Amino acid sequence: DAGVIQSPRHEVTEMGQEVTLRCKPISGHNSLFWYRQTMMRGLELLIYFNNNVPIDDSGMPEDRFSAKMPNASFSTLKIQPSEPRDSAVYFCASSLWGLVRGFSSGANVLTFGAGSRLTVL
Amino acid sequence: EDQVTQSPEALRLQEGESSSLNCSYTVSGLRGLFWYRQDPGKGPEFLFTLYSAGEEKEKERLKATLTKKESFLHITAPKPEDSATYLCAVQNSGNTPLVFGKGTRLSVIA
Repeated sequence: DAGVIQSPRHEVTEMGQEVTLRCKPISGHNSLFWYRQTMMRGLELLIYFNNNVPIDDSGMPEDRFSAKMPNASFSTLKIQPSEPRDSAVYFCASSLWGLVRGFSSGANVLTFGAGSRLTVL
Repeated sequence: EDQVTQSPEALRLQEGESSSLNCSYTVSGLRGLFWYRQDPGKGPEFLFTLYSAGEEKEKERLKATLTKKESFLHITAPKPEDSATYLCAVQNSGNTPLVFGKGTRLSVIA
C-alpha cells in the first residue's frame, strides 16, 4: 500500500483565493481525519469522518472551511476565501476505527500522509 | 477536556547521552496513550500505544512507560538518526479522536 496520499504537497496562494487540499486514505481504512499543524498550536483536529460520514467538525475554525468525503477513497478540505492566518501544514490521516462492522473498535492508530504546506500571502 | 503537555519543548543531546521525554496528560478515562515520531517535512509516524499504568514498550533505543498521570519516552544511547520531533497523544474511553501534545524536538549531535 502506498500509504495516505495528499496533494498538493505545497501550495502558495494569495489572500481571498480558494484552496482545495486532497487526500486518498489507505484502502480498507474506515476513518479519515484532517489535522492542522502550526508551531503555536501544534496538531489540531479539524474534522473526522467515519464510514464516509462527517462525525465531528467542531474543530473547523470557521465557515470558510469545508470538508467532504464523497467515497471511501477520497476526501477534500476546502478553504474559501483563504486568509494569511490559514497558513499551516494540513495533514490527512486514516485508520480502522470507530464503528467497524457495527462494533465500536478500540485504540485509534493513525497513519498520516506527508502533509500539504499552505502559504497564504 | 482532554489535555496533553509535553516537556521539554526542545532537547539537545550528545550522541550516547541517554535522556527522557515527558508527556503529562489529563483525560476522562484513558483508552490509549500514543507516541509518534515526526521527521522534518513528513507526517507523524506511529511508534507505540500504551493502555494501562505500569505498561512498558520498547523499540530499538526507545522505551515508553506509562503511569496514571504521565508517560516517559526514554532514549538510551541516542544516535543522530534519532533526531526528530516526538509527539504524544491520548484517546479517552469515550472513543473520541486523539488529542496531541505540541511535541519535543530532539537533536542528537555526533
